[in-house]
Amino acid sequence: QKEVEQNSGPLSVPEGAIASLNCTYSDRVSQSFFWYRQYSGKSPELIMSIYSNGDKEDGRFTAQLNKASQYVSLLIRDSQPSDSATYLCAVTLPGAGSYQLTFGKGTKLSVIP
Amino acid sequence: EPEVTQTPSHQVTQMGQEVILRCVPISNHLYFYWYRQILGQKVEFLVSFYNNEISEKSEIFDDQFSVERPDGSNFTLKIRSTKLEDSAMYFCASIYLAGEREQYFGPGTRLTVT
Repeated sequence: QKEVEQNSGPLSVPEGAIASLNCTYSDRVSQSFFWYRQYSGKSPELIMSIYSNGDKEDGRFTAQLNKASQYVSLLIRDSQPSDSATYLCAVTLPGAGSYQLTFGKGTKLSVIP
Repeated sequence: EPEVTQTPSHQVTQMGQEVILRCVPISNHLYFYWYRQILGQKVEFLVSFYNNEISEKSEIFDDQFSVERPDGSNFTLKIRSTKLEDSAMYFCASIYLAGEREQYFGPGTRLTVT
């Protein structure tokens, strides 16, 4: 069973703080990992992709992947009220060249001004 | 910046009616996908499409659903006889190449079945 697990939250952090979002996945063959941001009523917006163990930084965002622990995380530095959204973790399997995404339920982040 | 577009943004239909949801993927993308998200639930994969045929489909994608790319630009999802439980947001997504695995989503179509 392919599962992606996230804490549903809400996770509340003060403005300027670091928000830490976590995700675990059950399928060891998972190859690609993504973080999407979804505002209420809107579509998922890609923030970060990560494919190999370690850290990947893009501006205020850092994705961390540990395949041995089947764990991927997203750090948001200097959190802003505009970062308040639901963050979706998604993984893909390399099946038939399809790369369809399996999503977690998402973690709702609230950044308090 | 190129975007995936979807029409309509909101579709209201009666149970048992057929609906067609339309998507225009990014022009040089090769793989296309449909996902759905029931209110308050997670995003779920429906079907992937490559080289004018279905590549993979989920258990949700039963005989009531079909997809096609009729004219080289539009990518459509048809639901033949809608049910109340088909009410959801439907998202189209696409990727450029097999090696580039980042999927870009359209704005979605909210389908309401009454």
